[in-house]
Amino acid sequence: GAGVSQSPSNKVTEKGKDVELRCDPISGHTALYWYRQSLGQGLEFLIYFQGNSAPDKSGLPSDRFSAERTGGSVSTLTIQRTQQEDSAVYLCASSLEGGRVAFFGQGTRLTVV
Amino acid sequence: DAKTTQPPSMDCAEGRAANLPCNHSTISGNEYVYWYRQIHSQGPQYIIHGLKNNETNEMASLIITEDRKSSTLILPHATLRDTAVYYCIVRGGSSNTGKLIFGQGTTLQVKP
Repeated sequence: GAGVSQSPSNKVTEKGKDVELRCDPISGHTALYWYRQSLGQGLEFLIYFQGNSAPDKSGLPSDRFSAERTGGSVSTLTIQRTQQEDSAVYLCASSLEGGRVAFFGQGTRLTVV
Repeated sequence: DAKTTQPPSMDCAEGRAANLPCNHSTISGNEYVYWYRQIHSQGPQYIIHGLKNNETNEMASLIITEDRKSSTLILPHATLRDTAVYYCIVRGGSSNTGKLIFGQGTTLQVKP
C-alpha cells in the first residue's frame, strides 16, 4: 500500500478483555516498530521487528503485551487482560531496514473502560 | 542514542520563517539528526534528516552547526497547517535497530 495502515482506527474494550491491533507496513519494508502515546504524553517505544524476528522488545511494559510479525509483513500487537492504563494511541512505523527513515501510520486509539 | 533539548513552545506569524532549535551536545560522529512533526491526533510525519551537511527538501531546511552539537529546522513560510509538535531526534550510531527515541518536542503555534 501507499502508506502504513493500522486497524482498527478506534477500539473500545472492557477492562480484562484481550485486544489485537494490526499493522500493515509499507510494501517491502523489513523494519517495523510499535509505539504508544498516552494522552498528552510523548511517544514511547515498545518493540522493533527486523523481518519476523524482534531483536528489541525492551519497551514492552509488561508480559501482558506481546507482538508478532508473519511473512515479514503484517504485525499484530496483543494486549491481554487490558487495564485502564493501557488506554492510549498505539502507533506503528516501518522502514526499508533498521536505521532508515521510518514512516508512521495514523494509529489505533484504544480506550479501556 | 544522544539526548536532545528543545524549547517546549514557540510562536510564529503566518508567512514568516519558523526557526526551531535543537541542542544535541552529546551526539556521536555517526549519528544522524532527524526531525518529525505530529499534528494533533495524527501519526508523526517525517520532515528531514542530516548528518553534517545542511539539507533542504520541499518541506524544510536543516542547518547543522559545524561541531554538530546543535541544529535548526527552518520552515521558510509557515502556514496555519504547520501548527504541530516538532521532534528533534538523534539516531543511529552503535544502535542498528534505528528506533526513534522521542522527547517532548517543541509545540509550534503559527498565528494569523
